[in-house]
Amino acid sequence: AQSVAQPEDQVNVAEGNPLTVKCTYSVSGNPYLFWYVQYPNRGLQFLLKYITGDNLVKGSYGFEAEFNKSQTSFHLKKPSALVSDSALYFCAVRDLFSGGYNKLIFGAGTRLAVHP
Amino acid sequence: SQTIHQWPATLVQPVGSPLSLECTVEGTSNPNLYWYRQAAGRGLQLLFYSVGIGQISSEVPQNLSASRPQDRQFILSSKKLLLSDSGFYLCAWSDQTDTQYFGPGTRLTVL
Repeated sequence: AQSVAQPEDQVNVAEGNPLTVKCTYSVSGNPYLFWYVQYPNRGLQFLLKYITGDNLVKGSYGFEAEFNKSQTSFHLKKPSALVSDSALYFCAVRDLFSGGYNKLIFGAGTRLAVHP
Repeated sequence: SQTIHQWPATLVQPVGSPLSLECTVEGTSNPNLYWYRQAAGRGLQLLFYSVGIGQISSEVPQNLSASRPQDRQFILSSKKLLLSDSGFYLCAWSDQTDTQYFGPGTRLTVL
């Protein structure tokens, strides 16, 4: 069965420091992986995705993610965190057995808190 | 460019009352459409998805139903709300690359 895990409920980082939000996955075949961000009382915003190609994917707002097939991970990173990056982050993987319909399986979410 | 709308933004309803939440997408044709519920500001639960007019698949049997009367319109309904129906309801559409794009959401409180 396809699954995605975000092992940290919350990540705390000081403004200006690098940040990492972790995601691991379990799928059969090649994964399609996504990161979304959610600000309070708002919908999810798409940040970036990996389908094929370079293992380092660059996305919106200075975020990037590294696809690591051997470790089945897709961690989200940013070189220098901003207070405005504080939000809830979701990792997702496409469900390959959804009968041709493109459904996503979401992780439980990681709350990022960036302190001044 | 594509945009997705949801209304109302917030809703407070008594137990046993009916519900109708609407979602519309602009700027694309024949999108896949999705309804999610988010409880307690965390995990997403897929409720329904649709690949075309009148084609609805339900993920979780429950007190809710969905309809797609037009290509870019997706409606979430209930005949009688329960306390457990409270939550943040999100509509999304997807393109051919499997990326889903979410609406602003509706906060439903059932009292």
